[in-house]
Amino acid sequence: AQSVTQLDSHVSVSEGTPVLLRCNYSSSYSPSLFWYVQHPNKGLQLLLKYTSAATLVKGINGFEAEFKKSETSFHLTKPSAHMSDAAEYFCVVIAGMKTSYDKVIFGPGTSLSVIP
Amino acid sequence: NAGVTQTPKFQVLKTGQSMTLQCAQDMNHEYMSWYRQDPGMGLRLIHYSVGAGITDQGEVPNGYNVSRSTTEDFPLRLLSAAPSQTSVYFCASSYSSPNTDTQYFGPGTRLTVL
Repeated sequence: AQSVTQLDSHVSVSEGTPVLLRCNYSSSYSPSLFWYVQHPNKGLQLLLKYTSAATLVKGINGFEAEFKKSETSFHLTKPSAHMSDAAEYFCVVIAGMKTSYDKVIFGPGTSLSVIP
Repeated sequence: NAGVTQTPKFQVLKTGQSMTLQCAQDMNHEYMSWYRQDPGMGLRLIHYSVGAGITDQGEVPNGYNVSRSTTEDFPLRLLSAAPSQTSVYFCASSYSSPNTDTQYFGPGTRLTVL
């Protein structure tokens, strides 16, 4: 069975401090892993993706994530939070057998608040 | 490019009514999909299409129909609305398989069923 766990439903950080959003997954197949961001009343936007290349993935707006197979984790980090980072973040696992949509699993999301 | 567009942005229905949520993309993407977003549950896949004339069911297809007559359009039909279908609906598209390619999302349709 395939699943995604986002360990924190809400994270609050001060502006200028590091951000860590945690994601763990389980999958029977080699997965592709994504982080998407959703700003209030907006659609989702891709932050970064891992598709079996380099395990440290750099994304937009200074975010990066590291794929750790031994820990089945794909945590999202940013060295210094900005007010504009306040949003909902979704970890996504995709591992298909027949087609590309067979196993599209979104995590429940982590709401990030940034305190001035 | 307009990207992925969805109409309407908001809709209120009564139980038993039917309606169609529209989705269009101008990026010549083959792959399109519909998701619903409910509080605390992330997004769940309703239906998807890997090209014109080809559709398939996702995780939560009951109560919804889709068709794909053109590459650009992928409408979602609610046959007989139920309160359980109150949700935010997102349409997404990608040029190639979402296993490796970026999905582009529309702004969403917020649906309330009374």
